[in-house]
Amino acid sequence: LAKTTQPISMDSYEGQEVNITCSHNNIATNDYITWYQQFPSQGPRFIIQGYKTKVTNEVASLFIPADRKSSTLSLPRVSLSDTAVYYCLVGDEKKSSGDKLTFGTGTRLAVRP
Amino acid sequence: GAVVSQHPSRVICKSGTSVKIECRSLDFQATTMFWYRQFPKQSLMLMATSNEGSKATYEQGVEKDKFLINHASLTLSTLTVTSAHPEDSSFYICSALGASGQETQYFGPGTRLLVL
Repeated sequence: LAKTTQPISMDSYEGQEVNITCSHNNIATNDYITWYQQFPSQGPRFIIQGYKTKVTNEVASLFIPADRKSSTLSLPRVSLSDTAVYYCLVGDEKKSSGDKLTFGTGTRLAVRP
Repeated sequence: GAVVSQHPSRVICKSGTSVKIECRSLDFQATTMFWYRQFPKQSLMLMATSNEGSKATYEQGVEKDKFLINHASLTLSTLTVTSAHPEDSSFYICSALGASGQETQYFGPGTRLLVL
C-alpha cells in the first residue's frame, strides 16, 4: 500500500484558493488517488478521485503530475464551512476483493474570516 | 453518491456489556465493508475488512474475539464490541464498497461509543 505524506495543518482565509499537496512516492500502477473531507464526529466524505492529469468536479480540482508521485487538491474560494481535515489516500479500489485504504495523518485546514 | 448508514449514532454502556453497531448500504449492494476506529484528534485506523458470506479479515493488533464482525447480507454488516471497557470508547466508522462499477468507498456517519 502506498504511503502518503501531507502537511499536518494549513490556515487560510475566506475567499482564497487552497492547495493541499500529498506525496505518494511508491504509488503502484493500478492505484487511484482519492481525497476525503472529514468534519468532527462525522464519517469521511468523498471529495474527488483521479488517476492522472487533472480532474475537476463541482467542489474541487485534483492535479496529478505525469510521474504520479504527488497530487494536489485545489479548493477554490474556501469558506468557513470548509474547515475540516482532508485525507489523501492511494489504493486500487477496483480490485474485486476491495483494497483497504490506509489513512495518513490528514491535513487540518482552518479557514478564518 | 451512495449512502451508507450506521446505527446507533451514539451509545453509552456500562463496562462489561456488549454493544452492536450496524452498517447498512442503502442504495447499493456492498460486497466489502470496512470497519475503522478513530480516537480524538487522530486519523482513522482500519480494524477489519468484511466480505459478504465469509469471515472478516482483522488488522494486526485487533482482537477478533472482542470485535465480532458479521456480514450476512450485501447491505448489512455488524460490529459487536464484546465485554466493552472504557478503553474501547471511540468513534467507530464503517465504509462500503460496491459489487461492481464503484470506484471508491463510501463512509457511514460513524458511531460514538462511550463505555463507563
